[in-house]
Amino acid sequence: AQKITQTQPGMFVQEKEAVTLDCTYDTSDQSYGLFWYKQPSSGEMIFLIYQGSYDEQNATEGRYSLNFQKARKSANLVISASQLGDSAMYFCAMREGPNTGGFKTIFGAGTRLFVKA
Amino acid sequence: DTAVSQTPKYLVTQMGNDKSIKCEQNLGHDTMYWYKQDSKKFLKIMFSYNNKELIINETVPNRFSPKSPDKAHLNLHINSLELGDSAVYFCASSQERQGATGELFFGEGSRLTVL
Repeated sequence: AQKITQTQPGMFVQEKEAVTLDCTYDTSDQSYGLFWYKQPSSGEMIFLIYQGSYDEQNATEGRYSLNFQKARKSANLVISASQLGDSAMYFCAMREGPNTGGFKTIFGAGTRLFVKA
Repeated sequence: DTAVSQTPKYLVTQMGNDKSIKCEQNLGHDTMYWYKQDSKKFLKIMFSYNNKELIINETVPNRFSPKSPDKAHLNLHINSLELGDSAVYFCASSQERQGATGELFFGEGSRLTVL
């Protein structure tokens, strides 16, 4: 069963504007973590932001913020003041466990963001 | 110093061959992973090791055999390569304990092309 859903395969945003990348998740665990990673065209995976399931405040890291709505099981990434260098693939991920298999981080299918000059 | 390094970065080989990818982390983490990223960019966990012990094995064909000689190293050996094995293989590490965020630190990836 799909546990992380990113419904936007591709998004366009004008430079200097804000953009929201959607992510919904499914879990029966009470304790879990939510992450966003960026993958530029060069291929490396870059950690952006983390939200714990018990955190009451939305996480922020510079221009990145995570809009966490626990009841809706959504964890959208908001990028403010988009820059050309933000053009990349963005992955939402969830860490569950520990179960019998230990901790596991699973990823959504990703959203490709294009920032227009 | 690169935190998580994997070699080689590129492999091109023929079907039926055997190949290995090596990974090392200098972050002192206790858990290491192999992920496979296919041509559609989908990232799928393959294995995880915690302190040299296999924890996760995600229904990967037994042609894939991970080995962790110590907690800083995790290698992946692939036998009898098939066309469908072509992908980018990422090594990652994290500190996994209750209370830790479990953020993954990724290597640069190893692009495997099977001809």
